[in-house]
Amino acid sequence: AQSVTQLDSQVPVFEEAPVELRCNYSSSVSVYLFWYVQYPNQGLQLLLKYLSGSTLVKGINGFEAEFNKSQTSFHLRKPSVHISDTAEYFCAVSEANTGNQFYFGTGTSLTVIP
Amino acid sequence: GAVVSQHPSRVICKSGTSVKIECRSLDFQATTMFWYRQFPKKSLMLMATSNEGSKATYEQGVEKDKFLINHASLTLSTLTVTSAHPEDSSFYICSARRDKYEQYFGPGTRLTVT
Repeated sequence: AQSVTQLDSQVPVFEEAPVELRCNYSSSVSVYLFWYVQYPNQGLQLLLKYLSGSTLVKGINGFEAEFNKSQTSFHLRKPSVHISDTAEYFCAVSEANTGNQFYFGTGTSLTVIP
Repeated sequence: GAVVSQHPSRVICKSGTSVKIECRSLDFQATTMFWYRQFPKKSLMLMATSNEGSKATYEQGVEKDKFLINHASLTLSTLTVTSAHPEDSSFYICSARRDKYEQYFGPGTRLTVT
């Protein structure tokens, strides 16, 4: 089975500053990796995904993430955050080639301070 | 494309009654749908995997007689919370798998049992 650890439950950051949200995973097989964003009382919106190929993945809203297999990490980054980026962010992993069950991290609450 | 809807978005019911939540894939066929439960400030917990035309597969600890899942067509899965109690109050999110890589999430249903 797979598991996901999001090390930071809350991350406050000033507007226009860079941010990194950390995600580590554990798996004995190859995986697909995802980052989702959730605004209050809404469902999950896909930010980006890593399936294969280039380890640097670019997503929507200026976010990017880098897959590091040796460190089993998939950290999310944005060079300059906006107030509208305030939300809950979830990292998720699924088993490659089956892509069946998703395992989610506990989430990181990003608060952008004006 | 790949839109998933849920109905209702919010529901309040009295303790002891049953509530049905619908999950629809609007522009694709989904042989597999998933039901998640999310507690406040917590991650998503997979409740069950719903396969079209067959019985749902429930995760350990989820009461199958309490959370009835029906996947009657390739675009519709329903979750019925039977004899609901206040502890069943939660945010329920469904997702639909279009291909083996990714799940598309619905906007969620807020259930409040009084």
